[in-house]
Amino acid sequence: DAGITQSPRHKVTETGTPVTLRCHQTENHRYMYWYRQDPGHGLRLIHYSYGVKDTDKGEVSDGYSVSRSKTEDFLLTLESATSSQTSVYFCAISESRGEKLFFGSGTQLSVL
Amino acid sequence: QKEVEQDPGPLSVPEGAIVSLNCTYSNSAFQYFMWYRQYSRKGPELLMYTYSSGNKEDGRFTAQVDKSSKYISLFIRDSQPSDSATYLCAMSDGGYQKVTFGTGTKLQVIP
Repeated sequence: DAGITQSPRHKVTETGTPVTLRCHQTENHRYMYWYRQDPGHGLRLIHYSYGVKDTDKGEVSDGYSVSRSKTEDFLLTLESATSSQTSVYFCAISESRGEKLFFGSGTQLSVL
Repeated sequence: QKEVEQDPGPLSVPEGAIVSLNCTYSNSAFQYFMWYRQYSRKGPELLMYTYSSGNKEDGRFTAQVDKSSKYISLFIRDSQPSDSATYLCAMSDGGYQKVTFGTGTKLQVIP
């Protein structure tokens, strides 16, 4: 998976608890992204980063925050998890903007 | 109406068949077109990447883009059971980070 590691791979949590997902890359790519994948909706962009400490919102950013303190790490935080955030979360990286994306293996998150 | 439309399938074909997967789109600004393959419980992997209109071939795979009709296709020749996966089309205007994905077509190749 192009030097991308997501952790954890699976997580079950309760409504109202905070959750942090981690993405680590070894490719030194500038751009990093968080997507969620749901049946009938495909992949939807949550947040993305275009450099250390440079982030912006995607199309489904409500309820999520991100941080990037190092080139290789991009964190996604659910401040107070809700059942609607049950999904598969993918991290992706790219060398150039808007172009070829390389994905991690995903995190299956269940919010009960 | 979604920006990118893709038939979800499932599509079931016998081994050796030619497979045609398609997407239509509405945004005329799209100029980068991609196909991703996603195996069950795995992340999508980039299969084909095309800029603007035309054809691109890579082994058994051919990607076609018709910008005048806003229609892209992926052809798989001599399909194999290992091709069984979900295929996602994706496209971008090359602008700020936004890649728009289709919902995916599930393909099953039967031995």
